[in-house]
Amino acid sequence: QVQLVQSGAEVRRPGASVQVSCKASGYTFTDYGIAWVRQAPGQGLEWMGWISAYSGDTNYAQTLQDRFTMTTDSSTSTAYMELGSLSSGDTAIYYCARDQDLCKSDRCYEYFDNWGQGTLVTVS
Amino acid sequence: DIQMTQSPSSLSASVGDRVTITCRASQTIGTFLNWYQQKPGKAPKVLIYAASTLQGGVPSRFSGSGSGTVFTLTITSLQPEDFATYYCQQSYSSPRTFGQGTKVEI
Repeated sequence: QVQLVQSGAEVRRPGASVQVSCKASGYTFTDYGIAWVRQAPGQGLEWMGWISAYSGDTNYAQTLQDRFTMTTDSSTSTAYMELGSLSSGDTAIYYCARDQDLCKSDRCYEYFDNWGQGTLVTVS
Repeated sequence: DIQMTQSPSSLSASVGDRVTITCRASQTIGTFLNWYQQKPGKAPKVLIYAASTLQGGVPSRFSGSGSGTVFTLTITSLQPEDFATYYCQQSYSSPRTFGQGTKVEI
């Protein structure tokens, strides 16, 4: 079965950086993209960006583009995100999600069909 | 950016009730609309994609409809395990955006 297992909780000082990993199993890693989504305490979901595990192509949310980096390592089927210049507003649970593209009627529909368990990043 | 607005933000319902949640997009998005369910302390789970296609394994009491700018998620005969927060999300353009969520409470 498809599984995405994320690294553990992190605590960082303001101004520091954090890296979160997302190890995939149960499918061919390079056949899908990975999206990153975060959720501040008690708040809704915020899409951060997407990376193709096949080509490395990326699409970043403009609000984060300058300090957010996504990478993948196909040899270990692992995706990584790094967020720098942290502030208290970055305190959140960070999720990776498999990006599914289903094509029908000459259109391709994207949705996030499997999610990691989430990683709490606390900036304090 | 496309703004997604859900209504209501929360609702109270009883087991067996029919529940409808509405999601409005700030511009037309065709049927590029997904619905997710999130329970406390858990990751979101996709229920419906392409506005009306039920994800495998999701009970048939969940259904989605709509196109353009107005979409609905309907739960017929609410079950105890359905008490959760529901989010819509557009996949028409970047950045992908979510609604603010609708909390379904007992």
